Amino acid sequence: DIVMTQSPDSLAVSLGERATINCKSSQSVYYSANSKNYLAWYQQKPRQPPKLLIYWASTRESGVPERFSGSGSGTDFTLTITSLQAEDVAVYYCQQYYDTPFSFGQGTRLEIK
Amino acid sequence: EVQLLESGGGLVQPGGSLRLSCAASGFTFSSYAMGWVRQAPGKGLEWVSGISSSGGSTYYADSVKGRFTISKDNTLYLQMNGLRAEDTAIYYCAKGRGSSSYYFDCWGQGTLVTVSS
Repeated sequence: DIVMTQSPDSLAVSLGERATINCKSSQSVYYSANSKNYLAWYQQKPRQPPKLLIYWASTRESGVPERFSGSGSGTDFTLTITSLQAEDVAVYYCQQYYDTPFSFGQGTRLEIK
Repeated sequence: EVQLLESGGGLVQPGGSLRLSCAASGFTFSSYAMGWVRQAPGKGLEWVSGISSSGGSTYYADSVKGRFTISKDNTLYLQMNGLRAEDTAIYYCAKGRGSSSYYFDCWGQGTLVTVSS
């Protein structure tokens, strides 16, 4: 099974500053046949279901603000939020969908400093 | 508008059974993979099960394999047998992006399952 590990577990960033969340998979989630990384990012606010932010490691979902971006390949991935806004306070999860079970990271809690 | 509405949660004793349902609207249900993801109180997300658009392929987390069964007709189901205290969670129904894509672009509000005596 592929284990997803996020770092840090929690993060406090000042409004307007950059937030960076890392996600590492225990094996590569890159499929060379289509040159895609099978990695998604979600945002979950309190008492709400998760919301898809990023898929294929770097493709932003429709309607997601441009300050959210994803990068990385193989086993190491990053979610970056430039110019943090108050509404970005949430828990963020990565998920691999390369192989079953399609595991999630443990989550990173993002707060305002 | 895509909507997913879960039902069937509740309080059940250890060893008991429940069947969760997820009613979908706003998209061609038969064209998309679907899944169940759970979240224990105060904990993170755990992928539970997935099913391809045709229903011909099903997948399970090791923690539920042999106890849970996913199925679909015009509704998505999760039959849960042999329930344990550690199965206590909010269970979310989620829509895959494609026929066999298991990242989820739409989620229901969830249904709470509590396993306790």
